[in-house]
Amino acid sequence: AQTVTQSQPEMSVQEAETVTLSCTYDTSESDYYLFWYKQPPSRQMILVIRQEAYKQQNATENRFSVNFQKAAKSFSLKISDSQLGDAAMYFCAYRTLNAGGTSYGKLTFGQGTILTVHP
Amino acid sequence: DAGVTQSPTHLIKTRGQQVTLRCSPKSGHDTVSWYQQALGQGPQFIFQYYEEEERQRGNFPDRFSGHQFPNYSSELNVNALLLGDSALYLCASSSLGEQGESYNEQFFGPGTRLTVL
Repeated sequence: AQTVTQSQPEMSVQEAETVTLSCTYDTSESDYYLFWYKQPPSRQMILVIRQEAYKQQNATENRFSVNFQKAAKSFSLKISDSQLGDAAMYFCAYRTLNAGGTSYGKLTFGQGTILTVHP
Repeated sequence: DAGVTQSPTHLIKTRGQQVTLRCSPKSGHDTVSWYQQALGQGPQFIFQYYEEEERQRGNFPDRFSGHQFPNYSSELNVNALLLGDSALYLCASSSLGEQGESYNEQFFGPGTRLTVL
């Protein structure tokens, strides 16, 4: 079974600064997807960024980027130019690549990191 | 597009009772997944429904059951409620898409907060 670990229960950052959230995972599979989700106090889980394990290039989405180290099974999220609206619980998640090259199944989440952004 | 909707928003039950939670998927989606999120924890996968069948199941007891209707909406039923069932229950919908893309994003609803007393 796959496991996802987020070792930082809480992190804080000053507005406009950069912060990095850590995530490690354990799997015996060679192909899979990794995700970062954001859950603000409103509770709605929102996808921030995803990474396909077969792609060596790190994914980026505007101010969000990842550092994917497949051999080390590490998947960190970097938020640049932090904004007050970035304050939320962030979850790292894993999903298997199913037969036929599709990926539709369960997400395995880490415990989450609460990010506080100070003005 | 209304996105994923869930009802009710909040629910209070007592131990031993039964509860039904409802989910309407995002327009065009045919797959519904359910997750349980205890306070301060990450969501745990309960099961996933596709074409009205349970396609995948997590490590939850048989007290947790579900159903998917022809219009793709879904229900989560929990029998013989325990105090430990108190949690936020999240529904997520997805679809492989017309071209059968290899990746299909799961869109989450706002959740139902269940409190068991």
